[in-house]
Amino acid sequence: DAGVIQSPRHEVTEMGQEVTLRCKPISGHNSLFWYRQTMMRGLELLIYFNNNVPIDDSGMPEDRFSAKMPNASFSTLKIQPSEPRDSAVYFCASSSTRGSSPLHFGNGTRLTVT
Amino acid sequence: AQSVTQLGSHVSVSEGALVLLRCNYSSSVPPYLFWYVQYPNQGLQLLLKYTTGATLVKGINGFEAEFKKSETSFHLTKPSAHMSDAAEYFCAVSSVNNAGNMLTFGGGTRLMVKP
Repeated sequence: DAGVIQSPRHEVTEMGQEVTLRCKPISGHNSLFWYRQTMMRGLELLIYFNNNVPIDDSGMPEDRFSAKMPNASFSTLKIQPSEPRDSAVYFCASSSTRGSSPLHFGNGTRLTVT
Repeated sequence: AQSVTQLGSHVSVSEGALVLLRCNYSSSVPPYLFWYVQYPNQGLQLLLKYTTGATLVKGINGFEAEFKKSETSFHLTKPSAHMSDAAEYFCAVSSVNNAGNMLTFGGGTRLMVKP
C-alpha cells in the first residue's frame, strides 16, 4: 500500500499564475478530501468527494479554487489565478465511507505564491 | 453539528515525564474519536481511534486515550515522554450518522519535549 500520493511536494509560483495540485488516493477508498493548513487558520477542509462526486465544497475560499475527481484514482485542486494569501500546505486524504474509518493523509504540497 | 476543543495550543514536558493532551468534543450523536500526529513536513498519521466498546484505547508509540462520555472528553496520554514525541497532535470527531465520514478537527496541540 503506497498510501495517498500527492504531487508536487513543493510549488513556487508567481501571483496570477495557475496552480494545479494532484492527488492519488489509496485504492479502494471512496472518499477523498482536500485540506489546507496555515499557521493562522490551522487545518481547513476545502472540499470532499464521495464516489467521485463533490459532496461539500463550502470550504472552498473563492471561485479561484476548483477541484475535480474524474475517476476513483485521481483528483486535482486548481487555483487560478493564484495569490500570495494562497500560500499554505495543501493536504489530500482518503478513506472508506464508514464513519469509523480514519482518514489517510498524503505528505502535502507546500505552495508558495510570490 | 460537532466540534472539538483542544486545550492548550502548546504543551511542554521534560523527557520521561507524563504527557497529557486534552480534547473535549461536542456531538449530538455517539461519536467516533481520533487522535492524529503530525511530524514536521509530513501529513497527519493516525495514532489511535475510539469507535465502540472499551473506552480505554491504546495506540502506536505508547500513547493511549480514554473516552469519557460524561465529560465529553478524549484526552491523550503517554506515561513517559520521549524526544521523538515532539510533534503536533490533532483530536478529531466523526459522527455515526455521517455517511460521508467527514472529520471535524481540533486546532492542534504542539508538544515540545525538553531533554
